[in-house]
Amino acid sequence: DSGVTQTPKHLITATGQRVTLRCSPRSGDLSVYWYQQSLDQGLQFLIHYYNGEERAKGNILERFSAQQFPDLHSELNLSSLELGDSALYFCASSVVPNPYEQYFGPGTRLTVT
Amino acid sequence: GENVEQHPSTLSVQEGDSAVIKCTYSDSASNYFPWYKQELGKRPQLIIDIRSNVGEKKDQRIAVTLNKTAKHFSLHITETQPEDSAVYFCAARIGGGTASKLTFGTGTRLQVTL
Repeated sequence: DSGVTQTPKHLITATGQRVTLRCSPRSGDLSVYWYQQSLDQGLQFLIHYYNGEERAKGNILERFSAQQFPDLHSELNLSSLELGDSALYFCASSVVPNPYEQYFGPGTRLTVT
Repeated sequence: GENVEQHPSTLSVQEGDSAVIKCTYSDSASNYFPWYKQELGKRPQLIIDIRSNVGEKKDQRIAVTLNKTAKHFSLHITETQPEDSAVYFCAARIGGGTASKLTFGTGTRLQVTL
């Protein structure tokens, strides 16, 4: 157990809908990173927050957004969902703002039907 | 843009043999190179990492080597066991300061056969 928690574990929704994925970092970690992993694909970096501020963006679609709250948990919002958004979404956390030693949560499996 | 290439995509070895996975990166400013192991349906787990000021690092049966000149790094697993079967991802820290990020390779599926 890495200490990073994610909810829900599974999510099934229809095209066009909007969902929110939640991540709680390890105690003391200020950074949260979001990744997308499609079937048989690698890990695609989406976005990084440090202590409530956005620090880096990857190939995140405009339909996706994220935020980090004062208690350091983070939410990833996915809207106007398409079939191709079906994937595992992981968050990871680290102590420092730079991505040394990232620890991953268990992931949320999103299925868009 | 930033790119991390990983080879091979699949690797099958017999129990007790060694396994080597190689990655190359494009950004010469990269300074941190972690390796993650991901079992089916589970989270990626950090198994070893190396920083650019070190050429080699070992942890029991696993080791990582880094060649900054050639911009490649490798994972070595000795005396492989069935529980080593998983997908392994390399990554490189691309960019500088707080705007940096990890770019991952495409993964190597390692199968250790009895």
